[in-house]
Amino acid sequence: GAGVSQSPSNKVTEKGKDVELRCDPISGHTALYWYRQSLGQGLEFLIYFQGNSAPDKSGLPSDRFSAERTGGSVSTLTIQRTQQEDSAVYLCASSLELGLHSYEQYFGPGTRLTVT
Amino acid sequence: AQTVTQSQPEMSVQEAETVTLSCTYDTSENNYYLFWYKQPPSRQMILVIRQEAYKQQNATENRFSVNFQKAAKSFSLKISDSQLGDTAMYFCAYLNSGGSNYKLTFGKGTLLTVNP
Repeated sequence: GAGVSQSPSNKVTEKGKDVELRCDPISGHTALYWYRQSLGQGLEFLIYFQGNSAPDKSGLPSDRFSAERTGGSVSTLTIQRTQQEDSAVYLCASSLELGLHSYEQYFGPGTRLTVT
Repeated sequence: AQTVTQSQPEMSVQEAETVTLSCTYDTSENNYYLFWYKQPPSRQMILVIRQEAYKQQNATENRFSVNFQKAAKSFSLKISDSQLGDTAMYFCAYLNSGGSNYKLTFGKGTLLTVNP
């Protein structure tokens, strides 16, 4: 079947604008993760969903970041009032139900966000 | 907090030779998984190999194998018969399977270049 998809692939925005990044997980995967990859910080965990709920938002860097998931499928990561330090690649991953199987996370190709 | 350290920012190897990438981690947990992910220039994170901490036997996947030393908290990746397509960033990652959030904690990565 299809893998994890993310859109857009690349996004250039002006400082202060809001952006929305989308993630379509593998069908049937109940767990969904967002990570951020930047030169200075490496790969960082942002948030995860189990179904539509987000038990752990501890990785979100500020209150300008929010995420939601609907129908246990698509997730959107929103960044409000973007800053230059938000420039990074945002990766989404999904996995089968937590606690089962092999805990393997399957990643999408990422969205490269550039804030000018 | 768990940490993952990859002490080799860059490595290179000749095609058909063997190379070993190092990874150490720090945790007080007993139940966890370790992973190696590969990220080629396309940005797609690809799972290379995984190791369950409770298993003494080292994992192998074709040309890829690990040397898992639990007491030393070491998890190195050996790539045999290196191929040009192995050129990529390699990330070591840790997952606490005894918790409620199965987020991955990544090392900073090792850039591997396979030379013809």
